[in-house]
Amino acid sequence: GENVEQHPSTLSVQEGDSAVIKCTYSDSASNYFPWYKQELGKGPQLIIDIRSNVGEKKDQRIAVTLNKTAKHFSLHITETQPEDSAVYFCAASRSDYKLSFGAGTTVTVRA
Amino acid sequence: DVKVTQSSRYLVKRTGEKVFLECVQDMDHENMFWYRQDPGLGLRLIYFSYDVKMKEKGDIPEGYSVSREKKERFSLILESASTNQTSMYLCASTPGTSYGYTFGSGTRLTVV
Repeated sequence: GENVEQHPSTLSVQEGDSAVIKCTYSDSASNYFPWYKQELGKGPQLIIDIRSNVGEKKDQRIAVTLNKTAKHFSLHITETQPEDSAVYFCAASRSDYKLSFGAGTTVTVRA
Repeated sequence: DVKVTQSSRYLVKRTGEKVFLECVQDMDHENMFWYRQDPGLGLRLIYFSYDVKMKEKGDIPEGYSVSREKKERFSLILESASTNQTSMYLCASTPGTSYGYTFGSGTRLTVV
């Protein structure tokens, strides 16, 4: 099955700086790559996703890039704010709708 | 907005008990999932269902079963709870392939 590795496991950034989280996947047939944000006491929430026919997608301060050849994708958060502190998960799936998740990255934004 | 509701936020059960975790979604989604979340391991798929009365094993089905008698409801059953099943359990639903999941808020289960 699909194996998704996520790095780093923890990330501390100064408010206003950028944060980058990287994921690699093993199944070259994977074609859908969502990112989830989980705040304390809540379930994960979809924040952005990208499909394999697109190399980059941006939504305000967050962006995702995909390199199909290298089988890796990344989440970029610019101008970080305290409310960006959370656990972030990457995931990958083929067209059979099952998502395989990375282990998560705990992001802390220091004021 | 799609809502996925898990019946309990916190549960404490004894070893050997039969435990039912309930999940209901209100947007007529075909697909529903049960994951468990453990520190450092991310989210691991236990079971999923793509239609009423249909179910498939995920990556860690041992010790669990599921029931989907109605489209909106997907239940996770721990046949005989054990301490290694202490975890956060997350239910999710999605309308189809290559769509993001909508998650419930989770049930934190402690087995003592």
